[in-house]
Amino acid sequence: DTGVSQDPRHKITKRGQNVTFRCDPISEHNRLYWYRQTLGQGPEFLTYFQNEAQLEKSRLLSDRFSAERPKGSFSTLEIQRTEQGDSAMYLCASSLDRQGPYFGPGTRLTVL
Amino acid sequence: AQKVTQAQTEISVVEKEDVTLDCVYETRDTTYYLFWYKQPPSGELVFLIRRNSFDEQNEISGRYSWNFQKSTSSFNFTITASQVVDSAVYFCALSERDTNAGKSTFGDGTTLTVKP
Repeated sequence: DTGVSQDPRHKITKRGQNVTFRCDPISEHNRLYWYRQTLGQGPEFLTYFQNEAQLEKSRLLSDRFSAERPKGSFSTLEIQRTEQGDSAMYLCASSLDRQGPYFGPGTRLTVL
Repeated sequence: AQKVTQAQTEISVVEKEDVTLDCVYETRDTTYYLFWYKQPPSGELVFLIRRNSFDEQNEISGRYSWNFQKSTSSFNFTITASQVVDSAVYFCALSERDTNAGKSTFGDGTTLTVKP
């Protein structure tokens, strides 16, 4: 399977805990995106990487959120001190020039 | 600011009927991309089409067709002879600037139910 993969698929955590999600984009895709989707809504843009550089962050991305893409390949999204309002599906997508973007299956986060 | 409106929240049709999903967008840019995605019950967003603002030619792919009209800022999606497997949430999205086509604004989606 050469699509975008995300790990874990589901995460349940208690309020105040830190969580980290991983995204592996389609091989050779230089652009990587993180989105968040809550029930009944369309995905909302969080942040964007071109290779290893984080070029844009949404106002939705509070200081508790941090994303990295250390070698321009996989990316991680960390949420510190999780809150119940962070419960959502976190989606990763990748693209190359005029192809895509293509989305991964998402990580569903539940904060108790 | 860019905005995407999918006025139809839910649509229900009987198998083999044709159905059109509406999408209206707002943008100040002259260069932009429009997308349609399908999100089946499994949850994964499936890429259907990407169209740039300079290409108003309609596109057909099997039972799917798209009608892009800049004059009305619309990018509508038609499924011909719908099937039960077409049941899903469909999202229209808009991305400004050719260099960052993945940073998209999504509509709230249209839930399509196709009944046998």
